[in-house]
Amino acid sequence: DQQVKQNSPSLSVQEGRISILNCDYTNSMFDYFLWYKKYPAEGPTFLISISSIKDKNEDGRFTVFLNKSAKHLSLHIVPSQPGDSAVYFCAASRRPGTASKLTFGTGTRLQVTL
Amino acid sequence: GAVVSQHPSRVICKSGTSVKIECRSLDFQATTMFWYRQFPKQSLMLMATSNEGSKATYEQGVEKDKFLINHASLTLSTLTVTSAHPEDSSFYICSAREFGGNYGYTFGSGTRLTVV
Repeated sequence: DQQVKQNSPSLSVQEGRISILNCDYTNSMFDYFLWYKKYPAEGPTFLISISSIKDKNEDGRFTVFLNKSAKHLSLHIVPSQPGDSAVYFCAASRRPGTASKLTFGTGTRLQVTL
Repeated sequence: GAVVSQHPSRVICKSGTSVKIECRSLDFQATTMFWYRQFPKQSLMLMATSNEGSKATYEQGVEKDKFLINHASLTLSTLTVTSAHPEDSSFYICSAREFGGNYGYTFGSGTRLTVV
């Protein structure tokens, strides 16, 4: 049972444009969400997070939006850069405690073209 | 920022042998570490939660006798794949979270295990 889903396995965006990566979840107990960037044969790198008490969190070029009623979140990258090309995973947990485990989505491969 | 070191990055072993993977938090203490497994082009699947000074908590379907986890100190957790078989070949990743940190889990660089 895939509780966190990323329905787009891949996305291609032109440099300078906005990249929008989507993520849906089914478990209403999730209240903390994170986005990670991952290169092949490397561990994921934390990008940005959001708790369920917010609907938006922004950090530089990265903005995460959360729609709790729709159980949907998205990551916006603007402007997109070639170095952003990687696989992006969204993840969810029940609470941001040290022992809270993460449930990962299936990933979206972003390709930023020149 | 928080750094998690994972070693080795790549290992090839023969079927039937055991392999140990180390995960260290370099500049913070981690009472809890997590071990994940990733198959090619798939998501990261949590295998177990490693608790310092106590037994690990395994996810459903993960054989605790095959994947031995030891968390002997606040900065070190090890995963030992015992009697490895080719189907154990995968990418294994550990993670930890610094208490009071920005709620971002820090991941190791992963270990590519190939069993021949």
